[in-house]
Amino acid sequence: GAGVSQSPSNKVTEKGKDVELRCDPISGHTALYWYRQRLGQGLEFLIYFQGNSAPDKSGLPSDRFSAERTGESVSTLTIQRTQQEDSAVYLCASSRSTGADKGNQPQHFGDGTRLSIL
Amino acid sequence: AQKITQTQPGMFVQEKEAVTLDCTYDTSDPSYGLFWYKQPSSGEMIFLIYQGSYDQQNATEGRYSLNFQKARKSANLVISASQLGDSAMYFCAMREGRDNYGQNFVFGPGTRLSVLP
Repeated sequence: GAGVSQSPSNKVTEKGKDVELRCDPISGHTALYWYRQRLGQGLEFLIYFQGNSAPDKSGLPSDRFSAERTGESVSTLTIQRTQQEDSAVYLCASSRSTGADKGNQPQHFGDGTRLSIL
Repeated sequence: AQKITQTQPGMFVQEKEAVTLDCTYDTSDPSYGLFWYKQPSSGEMIFLIYQGSYDQQNATEGRYSLNFQKARKSANLVISASQLGDSAMYFCAMREGRDNYGQNFVFGPGTRLSVLP
């Protein structure tokens, strides 16, 4: 498939466990974003990767959250010592960004990972 | 301060009528892009339409058009001839940045549109 792929699609885990969420962006997309969306709410920005530049981590809610991306490939979002408040859908998006681009490239979203903390 | 404001948490429209969803934004960057996304109850985010800050004409994509008023910093989405399948959450988003970097997206809180038969 040519779209953004996220895995797992659903994850149920006990409070206190660590979880790792995976995002495989569209090939050639240099920008990758993670968002959290709680039930009935809008998108909460978490972290943004742009090529090999230092990521923008300004949205990470606590030091229990971390994310990695190697180059322009797969990204993983890790949540340590999960809490019930972490229950949400975690959305990943990627977009193209070129020298001629003036910001007209939309984000393409994956289907998300629905995380439930018991 | 909120960068994207959507003042209508919920809207109702009769099938086949037009509806306008409001969006205002705040930026000091002369180069930016405005986007609208649709999120049906199934959860996927669907890109609808884009408007660039330097675009001279309002964007249109099928039944979707964007009423871009740069001086007022508003980018309202107009859906013509509403269909039952248009019922969803609609998010306005902005992308700032003059070059390749610093191009983060900011999303508004969303408007839930319900189309009535």
